[in-house]
Formats: sequence, structure tokens, C-alpha cells
Amino acid sequence: DIVMTQSPDSLAVSLGERATINCKSSQSVLYSSNNKNYLGWYQQKPGQPPKLLIYWASTRESGVPDRFSGSGSGTDFTLTISSLQAEDVAVYYCHQYYNTPYTFGQGTKLEIK
Amino acid sequence: QLQLQESGPGLVKPSETLSLTCTVSGGSISSASYYWAWIRQPPGRGLEWIASIYYSGYIHHNPSLKSRVTISVDTSKNQFSLKLSSVTAADTAVYYCARQYNNYVTSWGQGTLVTVSS
Repeated sequence: DIVMTQSPDSLAVSLGERATINCKSSQSVLYSSNNKNYLGWYQQKPGQPPKLLIYWASTRESGVPDRFSGSGSGTDFTLTISSLQAEDVAVYYCHQYYNTPYTFGQGTKLEIK
Repeated sequence: QLQLQESGPGLVKPSETLSLTCTVSGGSISSASYYWAWIRQPPGRGLEWIASIYYSGYIHHNPSLKSRVTISVDTSKNQFSLKLSSVTAADTAVYYCARQYNNYVTSWGQGTLVTVSS
């Protein structure tokens, strides 16, 4: 199984400041034949299902604000929120869909400082 | 707009079988582009992928659960289902049904809490 490890486990950031969440996979999720990283990011608010933010490591889902961006390749990835808004308080998960069993990171809880 | 809705008992006794159905509306489960998945989340914890099924019946399982999981699809009803046998308290979780495109999950149901308790 590919193990996904996020850091930090929790994060407190002031409104308007940058938030950065890291995700490391235990093996590469870059598929060489199409040069795509099989890595997604999800946002989950209390009592709600996760919401897709980013796929292919850096492609923003339709309707997701452009303050959310994803980067990285191979085994190391980052989700960045450029200017934190109050509505961004949530738990964020990375997810590898390179192979089965599909796996998720343990989650990073983002709060307002 | 695609909607997925889980249904099934919210309480299951230990050693019995958990059974859930996901009803898909606003889209066809027979679309060639998608897999249909079950994912669970124990209270206060992270996400665990259980299994995925294609409309033709092709299945991917999580090996950690494979011996206890049955997943099926009913294209005539636009539904797919999950059965998890021999449940224990460790199977208590919110169970989500979801749609996968290119393997990543694009849409989720609201989730249903299943508690395993006598």
C-alpha cells in the first residue's frame, strides 16, 4: 500500500496569511506514460463529506477559488492557500489514486490564529 | 446535477452483515467514464477506501477488507450496494458512496453513520 503522510497534523494561520500543507507518499505517484501525478486534495468541513479541491496534483476543480493551489511531483506535494479566509477552516486530506488500495493522508486540521 | 444518497440501517449488531445502498440521480451509473466507490470514515478519524465497481461489474477491492466485502451494481435501478460481513465495533463509521473519474473521487454522498453495537 502507498502510505500518505501529511504535515503538520494541525495548523493555525491568521486571516489573510498563507497556509501550507505538505503531503509525502511512500512511493512515487507519477505515472511516466502520461507524466501525471495521481494526487488529489480534499477539504472536509464538520458534518460534511469531503470536497475535491485539486486533482493531478495541481489542477483546480471547477468552482474552487484560485487562492487554493497544488504543487509537487513524485513523492512530495503541497497544498497552498494564498490568503486564508474564515470559510477555509476545515480538515484537508491528500489522496493517491495511482494504484489500489487508494489511500488518504491522515488529515491536517486548519484553524484561524 | 449528480446526487448520491446512501441508505441502510444505522445500527448493526456485532458479527452481522452491514448492508448499504447508494442511489444515483442526475446521471447514469452505466456511464463508461466512471467507477462507483464506497469509502468510510470512523468518527473523528481519516478516510478509508473500501471498494469500487464499474457498471459492467468489474471490481477493485481494498485487500484489508476484501474477504468481508461484497459490492454490486444494479443498472436498472441506478444503484450500487455494499455488504460488509462479520462486523465489529471497528467497523463503526460514516459510510460514503462516491463517484470516481480517472480514479479520483469527484462526487460524494452525504454519508450515513453505521454503528456496530449490541
